[in-house]
Amino acid sequence: DQQVKQNSPSLSVQEGRISILNCDYTNSMFDYFLWYKKYPAEGPTFLISISSIKDKNEDGRFTVFLNKSAKHLSLHIVPSQPGDSAVYFCAASDNYGQNFVFGPGTRLSVLP
Amino acid sequence: KAGVTQTPRYLIKTRGQQVTLSCSPISGHRSVSWYQQTPGQGLQFLFEYFSETQRNKGNFPGRFSGRQFSNSRSEMNVSTLELGDSALYLCASTEGGDGPQHFGDGTRLSIL
Repeated sequence: DQQVKQNSPSLSVQEGRISILNCDYTNSMFDYFLWYKKYPAEGPTFLISISSIKDKNEDGRFTVFLNKSAKHLSLHIVPSQPGDSAVYFCAASDNYGQNFVFGPGTRLSVLP
Repeated sequence: KAGVTQTPRYLIKTRGQQVTLSCSPISGHRSVSWYQQTPGQGLQFLFEYFSETQRNKGNFPGRFSGRQFSNSRSEMNVSTLELGDSALYLCASTEGGDGPQHFGDGTRLSIL
């Protein structure tokens, strides 16, 4: 049973618009969450993180929102650019950064 | 600073053989984690080594093993290879084991 779910395998967005990637989790003990981006033939690259004491974290075009009661987090990319086309992984930890559990990923395509 | 280096990048083996993959972490990083990535499954945690000791372990059979050397370099071994072991194997390092991980580009293992 997957503890971290990304229910949309793929998402297409027009350049300049907002991309919203969603992630749900089942373990209420998770207290630290990360988003990674992965291009083909490369390893995942860290994007942004959020701890359970916050409900929002922003870094440039990327914002992560956490709704603990719903066990849901989302990554917003505004504005979306063609270079954002990649697979995005959500990851969660119940030990503040150790033992990460990854979701299956969402492939984002930003269309010019 | 050089990133995480994994060798080889590609490997083809047959069922029943064994394989050893290598990972050199970022200089100064003492924690090395290994993941298996297969389509639709995201990244599955194999194990984590910290200062030459296995600190955490995922739910993989005993055919999967690893070790870490005094210079923090790590190796992963898979014995009696099965077709289902075909995957991308990723290595990630952190300084102390907490927080965002730095990933290598992976070793693509194909079992014939």
